[in-house]
Amino acid sequence: NAGVTQTPKFQVLKTGQSMTLQCAQDMNHNSMYWYRQDPGMGLRLIYYSASEGTTDKGEVPNGYNVSRLNKREFSLRLESAAPSQTSVYFCASSEVHSGNTIYFGEGSWLTVV
Amino acid sequence: AQSVTQLGSHVSVSEGALVLLRCNYSSSVPPYLFWYVQYPNQGLQLLLKYTSAATLVKGINGFEAEFKKSETSFHLTKPSAHMSDAAEYFCAVSDQTDKLIFGTGTRLQVFP
Repeated sequence: NAGVTQTPKFQVLKTGQSMTLQCAQDMNHNSMYWYRQDPGMGLRLIYYSASEGTTDKGEVPNGYNVSRLNKREFSLRLESAAPSQTSVYFCASSEVHSGNTIYFGEGSWLTVV
Repeated sequence: AQSVTQLGSHVSVSEGALVLLRCNYSSSVPPYLFWYVQYPNQGLQLLLKYTSAATLVKGINGFEAEFKKSETSFHLTKPSAHMSDAAEYFCAVSDQTDKLIFGTGTRLQVFP
């Protein structure tokens, strides 16, 4: 059982370049999330999608766009990467109800130079 | 608005000693509370969660946490630390939506 799979695992970008982080889950979950993790700041929610076709901003959405392509897939796009977006990005998914466990992917390490 | 405060960004214990990681929350509605663990270069894994059933919650790897409404706390404990417990631990709170708000994390070191 793969769970939440995200690609790529590592990426180096130059300032101003664009890229898309891909995420897919095989647990038939309705809700999907993108978080970023920075030292001393914990995980901060970038965007989330409560169901196919809907997306909402989290705490730190600036500089990012998302697409909920179907129930399985939720991608995160950086249109013009900045050094401040150097971080570890985690995709996650859960059932709709708020008491349910959120399952995380293994992370994508992004460096913007 | 919800928030979570984890007291102590680093905690060090000897192998066999009590582990106590502190978490206080703020929520305007009855919260759901979670502890997650992150091992180096990995994603987060659920340790345990409180969803308004028993106030003492038991999780994996011998960890447990007690929900104390009067203290707005959800501290994580383990009676006897093992070397394999070395990791970063995150407390998180969720309200009536699907969003999970994380604390800043506590890195646990275990010395032999």
